[in-house]
Amino acid sequence: ETGVTQSPTHLIKTRGQQVTLRCSSQSGHNTVSWYQQALGQGPQFIFQYYREEENGRGNFPPRFSGLQFPNYSSELNVNALELDDSALYLCASSSTWDRGDYGYTFGSGTRLTVV
Amino acid sequence: AQKITQTQPGMFVQEKEAVTLDCTYDTSDPSYGLFWYKQPSSGEMIFLIYQGSYDQQNATEGRYSLNFQKARKSANLVISASQLGDSAMYFCAMREGLRETSGSRLTFGEGTQLTVNP
Repeated sequence: ETGVTQSPTHLIKTRGQQVTLRCSSQSGHNTVSWYQQALGQGPQFIFQYYREEENGRGNFPPRFSGLQFPNYSSELNVNALELDDSALYLCASSSTWDRGDYGYTFGSGTRLTVV
Repeated sequence: AQKITQTQPGMFVQEKEAVTLDCTYDTSDPSYGLFWYKQPSSGEMIFLIYQGSYDQQNATEGRYSLNFQKARKSANLVISASQLGDSAMYFCAMREGLRETSGSRLTFGEGTQLTVNP
């Protein structure tokens, strides 16, 4: 079984630009969630996608948006980048069919730097 | 109010000794799940152990055990026989509510940086 793959691994953008981060789900998983992890802090929940729709959102502004595709892969889009958006962005996939509660598989993240 | 509190920014342990990483949580939901993750410098979150709020026994996974004290709202991670490869950041996390309704929304603590010395 494949794990969760995120791309790109590193990215540098200029303030005001837009960025798209990508995530492929683990085989058999149908739910994707995104987290933002600032340096030295714990991850913060951005949102979750299930059946190609957002079904849960953390305290993030609308310029953070996402998509989930029929193959359960996902994108995170951030518009009008700000310096504070610099962080590690983690994607986690899970399955609503899993009976266990620990079925969250994280990717290695995309490290975004906004200058 | 912070829902997950990890009071140890850094911990040091000698190789082959045991170490306890502290975690306290706050929730009014009777159904919740507690997780511990390891994050090496590569960034990936590696699942270690899970404890459900209704589980009667403390969870164990190999060298990892979770000391679950529900009344105190604590869920400490115990690593036995520490290895050099255990050096990493460790996060305690909580999912409030049932998985069916809360999905994969996890609330993380600030983490504890563990260093294992030879």
